[in-house]
Amino acid sequence: KAGVTQTPRYLIKTRGQQVTLSCSPISGHRSVSWYQQTPGQGLQFLFEYFSETQRNKGNFPGRFSGRQFSNSRSEMNVSTLELGDSALYLCASRAERTDSYPYGYTFGSGTRLTVV
Amino acid sequence: DQQVKQNSPSLSVQEGRISILNCDYTNSMFDYFLWYKKYPAEGPTFLISISSIKDKNEDGRFTVFLNKSAKHLSLHIVPSQPGDSAVYFCAASVHYLYTGKLIFGQGTTLQVKP
Repeated sequence: KAGVTQTPRYLIKTRGQQVTLSCSPISGHRSVSWYQQTPGQGLQFLFEYFSETQRNKGNFPGRFSGRQFSNSRSEMNVSTLELGDSALYLCASRAERTDSYPYGYTFGSGTRLTVV
Repeated sequence: DQQVKQNSPSLSVQEGRISILNCDYTNSMFDYFLWYKKYPAEGPTFLISISSIKDKNEDGRFTVFLNKSAKHLSLHIVPSQPGDSAVYFCAASVHYLYTGKLIFGQGTTLQVKP
């Protein structure tokens, strides 16, 4: 079955602009999480959505926001881009059934955002 | 405050030998731990996990050990293969059933030499 799909794969934006990244989870998965990976900070949790509701949020400024649609697809938005926002943004999904408890989140390949 | 630490940035082993990757944590509320493997320009791939109520979990060549009293977990890969060369991340979660928030370590780069 299809994995987690993130679009676009690569993106170059100018400082001050805004950007929207998209994530389509594995079919049937209702939980979607977003992470930012940078060389200095590693993988850091941004936020998580479940059934269109934000269930958890990391320590990022309000410029970072997200949403989830009724089909579980999710988007994240970064407004007023800064140079430090350059990173690999990863989306992950998982099923929410107890019989899948032992399994981890499945990650997409990520969107590489470069802010110039 | 880094709650999950991988103190070895890199590890090099010979093909066929055992690879041992280590991870320490500080938060006693973590109830689930996971290991991921990551290749450049790809997302992390789930390898194996362990609940805090267990001390060992095996899946093929991969075994994860959890020592709660020492707040330490390790991933053993036996035998190591060149295709195992990648960055390995340990991750932990509080209330894993109900949250998608994973706290990741900084990663250990494993190189398996033929």
